[in-house]
Amino acid sequence: SQQGEEDPQALSIQEGENATMNCSYKTSINNLQWYRQNSGRGLVHLILIRSNEREKHSGRLRVTLDTSKKSSSLLITASRAADTASYFCATDAFYTGANSKLTFGKGITLSVRP
Amino acid sequence: DTGVSQDPRHKITKRGQNVTFRCDPISEHNRLYWYRQTLGQGPEFLTYFQNEAQLEKSRLLSDRFSAERPKGSFSTLEIQRTEQGDSAMYLCASSLKTWLAGGYNEQFFGPGTRLTVL
Repeated sequence: SQQGEEDPQALSIQEGENATMNCSYKTSINNLQWYRQNSGRGLVHLILIRSNEREKHSGRLRVTLDTSKKSSSLLITASRAADTASYFCATDAFYTGANSKLTFGKGITLSVRP
Repeated sequence: DTGVSQDPRHKITKRGQNVTFRCDPISEHNRLYWYRQTLGQGPEFLTYFQNEAQLEKSRLLSDRFSAERPKGSFSTLEIQRTEQGDSAMYLCASSLKTWLAGGYNEQFFGPGTRLTVL
């Protein structure tokens, strides 16, 4: 079963604009991670945010976590054509112990137009 | 290249045949995971190992599936009597589980093995 649900399912923006993607989940978590996947390739880890953190930055990425609402958002600022990919949120559920299996959402397809 | 590697990258087989995939994790990582991903979906957990011990198996892992990590390094995933529904991308990931880091370590994924069952 897939715990995370990303929103929107697809997003198309112009290069230079910001892209905001949301993720909601169902159970308590140890941490939440965002991954990127280019067409037909493996997943690339972007950022991990722990359950006791509220915001985290990495380069052009900003992730927020609201455990009371069981939701997270990923913001990509000043998007580039190379950011075109599918983005997944994945949760490390609290009941399974830290750093065990991840539960992924269905993903968001981001298209950045040059 | 010190990342996670998987072999083969593509496998085409006929229904009923057995297939085996290999995953080589990042060398110092003690945890190894297998996931399956179908088109338009996110990866789904299959099983994971800590060193050579298989700690959890998903209900998705039917009796036709078996995974091993005999020496705590590389792992194999075998599918017996393949079915068309087994067609998917099989992803391997590894991570380092340490209490020093609080256990919060990201999983690093390999490029995947794409299985097509005809």
